[in-house]
Amino acid sequence: QKEVEQNSGPLSVPEGAIASLNCTYSDRGSQSFFWYRQYSGKSPELIMFIYSNGDKEDGRFTAQLNKASQYVSLLIRDSQPSDSATYLCAVTSVRGGADGLTFGKGTHLIIQP
Amino acid sequence: EAQVTQNPRYLITVTGKKLTVTCSQNMNHEYMSWYRQDPGLGLRQIYYSMNVEVTDKGDVPEGYKVSRKEKRNFPLILESPSPNQTSLYFCASSLSRGDRRGLAFFGQGTRLTVV
Repeated sequence: QKEVEQNSGPLSVPEGAIASLNCTYSDRGSQSFFWYRQYSGKSPELIMFIYSNGDKEDGRFTAQLNKASQYVSLLIRDSQPSDSATYLCAVTSVRGGADGLTFGKGTHLIIQP
Repeated sequence: EAQVTQNPRYLITVTGKKLTVTCSQNMNHEYMSWYRQDPGLGLRQIYYSMNVEVTDKGDVPEGYKVSRKEKRNFPLILESPSPNQTSLYFCASSLSRGDRRGLAFFGQGTRLTVV
């Protein structure tokens, strides 16, 4: 069974610091990796996707992928109180795919003003 | 505005009373999917559809039905709801199964309580 593991938190980070969120996955055939942000009671919102080993940056967000270690992470620089949310990692074996996504249970991030 | 619209947003019903949760998207997306989200279990896929008249089971399809008669609509049907179907439900869509952005568009969610 495919599994995606995340530390549930809460992860508390001071405002302005770097928040580091981690995710491991069990399926070595995984091809596509996504990070979603979900505010309490709201729907998930796509933040980043990454397919290749290494780093991918988009504004204050950086996704990092290491397929050999089956590990994907999300860094949030200059953390703001509005970044406080649950962050979901999602993985699929479909290349560039929306299909067959397996979601982690999420990490609850709290940015302290 | 590009969006996925679910209705109703909140629903309290009784065991055994058939209900339908509607989902509609205005982006001409081929791929649509239903998920349920439960505390401690995360998001789990119920059903998905790759195009009109093409549907398939996800990880937790028991007790649910879907149909895809038109490209824009993908209703979720609970023929005989039970309390274990109390959950937060999300409909999502993407351009295609292979959309590089993954599941980029989620509906607002439907909070269902079955008593």
